[in-house]
This record gives sequence, C-alpha cells and structure tokens, in this order.
Amino acid sequence: EAGVTQSPTHLIKTRGQQVTLRCSPISGHTSVYWYQQALGLGLQFLLWYDEGEERNRGNFPPRFSGRQFPNYSSELNVNALELEDSALYLCASSPSNGNTGELFFGEGSRLTVL
Amino acid sequence: SQQGEEDPQALSIQEGENATMNCSYKTSINNLQWYRQNSGRGLVHLILIRSNEREKHSGRLRVTLDTSKKSSSLLITASRAADTASYFCAFGTGANNLFFGTGTRLTVIP
Repeated sequence: EAGVTQSPTHLIKTRGQQVTLRCSPISGHTSVYWYQQALGLGLQFLLWYDEGEERNRGNFPPRFSGRQFPNYSSELNVNALELEDSALYLCASSPSNGNTGELFFGEGSRLTVL
Repeated sequence: SQQGEEDPQALSIQEGENATMNCSYKTSINNLQWYRQNSGRGLVHLILIRSNEREKHSGRLRVTLDTSKKSSSLLITASRAADTASYFCAFGTGANNLFFGTGTRLTVIP
C-alpha cells in the first residue's frame, strides 16, 4: 500500500514568489494535515482538511492557504514568499473517525527561499 | 501556544543504555503520541497512550502519562545506534488535531 506522497521533494524560490506543494494521502484516508518545520525546530500546525473542507487553521498569515480535492489529495499554497518561510513542509493523513489518532506522514517538501 | 515542550533538547548515550525523554503540555488532551524523525525526513508513529491510561509498552518502548502533571515520558531500553533520531511528543485535544512538542535529539554512540 502506498504511503503519503509529497511533491516536489526540494525546491528553491526567491522572495516574493509563490509556491504550491502537493500531497496525496494514503488510500482511504480523508483527513490531510499540513505542518511547517523550520530548521532544527518542532512542527508548527498549518492546516487541516477533511472531506474537502478546511477544518482548522494554525497561527499563520493568510498568504498560507490550501485546498483539498474530491480525491482527498491536497495542495498548500504560499504567496509572497519570505525568507523565514524556508522550512520542511510535512503533509500527514489519517482516517476521519472523529478522534485524534495516528498520523501518517510523507517525507516532506523542503523549501528554500533566497 | 498549544505546542508541547520536551526535555532534554538533546541527549547522547552509549549503545545499550536506556534513554528517557520527557514531554509537558498545557491543555486537556484525549491522547498523547510519540513520533520519531530521522534527519530531515518524515515522522513515524511510535506509540499512542490515551488520557485514561497511565503506562503503555511496545517492544523496547515504555510510555507513561501523568495527566495531573500534564506530562509524559518515553523510555527506550537497551538503545541501539539505529535509535539515533529526533523524538517528538504530540497531543490530541479532541478536535482531530495534533500539536507537537519541540523534540529531543537522541544520539546513540556505538
């Protein structure tokens, strides 16, 4: 069974540009989570989608946005990139069962903003 | 902030020794989980303990939870060089969301 897949694995952008990161959850999982992990730091919760709807949002500015498609895959968009957006962006999925169970993570997309 | 805190930030031990790392949080939780992250990679789930449980075992892992103190500990017994990684606690608040701790970087010296 395929795990959570993310693309691209690495990318380099310059300040002010826009980026789109993609995530495909495990088959049968309807919840997708996005986390930001700056170098050497913990995970900061960004967004949670379930059944195509945004269910919760972390303390990030509006230039961080996303969506979930009917096939439950998801995109994370970051506009007007800033240097401090450089980080590993991790996507995770889980079955939607109303409880906070185990999350299954992808390998991440490492974004460098120059 | 709903982020948890882990202690110590870094831990270095000899192979065969036990490693203990601690996690503290501030909110009410319905479960607490521990994850492992190899350098710059995705996280892998290790173990989940529910708020009404006090201790749980899985192989060489032992997790304790003290909800009165809002803290948890992860014990790795008989450590191996392959256990070298960062370990994160994560707590569920019932909103189908997980908040992660700051992580402990474990180095096991062969």
